[in-house]
Amino acid sequence: DIVMTQSPLSLPVTPGEPASISCRPSESLMGSNGHNYLDWYLKKPGQSPQLLIYLGSNRASGVPDRFSGSVSGTDFTLKISRVEAEDVGIYYCMQARQTPITFGQGTRLEIK
Amino acid sequence: QVTLKESGPTLVKPTQTLTLTCTFSGFSLNTGGVGVGWIRQPPGKALEWLALIYWDGDERYSPSLNNRLSITKDTSENQVVLTMTYMDLADTGTYYCGHYVTTMTTGYFDFRGQGTLVTVSS
Repeated sequence: DIVMTQSPLSLPVTPGEPASISCRPSESLMGSNGHNYLDWYLKKPGQSPQLLIYLGSNRASGVPDRFSGSVSGTDFTLKISRVEAEDVGIYYCMQARQTPITFGQGTRLEIK
Repeated sequence: QVTLKESGPTLVKPTQTLTLTCTFSGFSLNTGGVGVGWIRQPPGKALEWLALIYWDGDERYSPSLNNRLSITKDTSENQVVLTMTYMDLADTGTYYCGHYVTTMTTGYFDFRGQGTLVTVSS
């Protein structure tokens, strides 16, 4: 199984400031087509996980452009350029390169 | 517009079998590259993938659930059914189904349903 390691696990952020979450898979997530099969989600209480980023760096429909995803080598990063109060929740990375599909432990973003 | 809705019992007893239905619209499970899958979230814990069924009938399961899972599709009714046997207290949580797409040009897993809370208790 591919193990997904997120850091930090807790992220207190002042509104208007940037935030960054790292996700490191235990194996490469690149498919034969050159795509990295890594998604980012935001989970809020009582809501389904919201898809933010797919294939490592593609913003999902309706997601504000303050969210961005990037990859450097085999490490993935989710960045929020200016955190807003509505961004609180738990962020998860997920790999779909192979089954079993696996999630990171989650990063709890809170407002200072 | 893609929509998904999970349905099933809210309360099951230990050792019973859970049957959940995902009813979807806005896409076809006959289309190449498309699948429907299930994840869950126990209270206070992380998201966990359970199962996935592809357009061609290929089924994939979480190995950690020790052959307790079965996933089937009814393309005429636009439904996917997940069955989980020998329910345990640890299976309490919210279950979500999602629209899965994997092609040469794109790939994502989108959970648009509201989820269904399942409590295991005697």
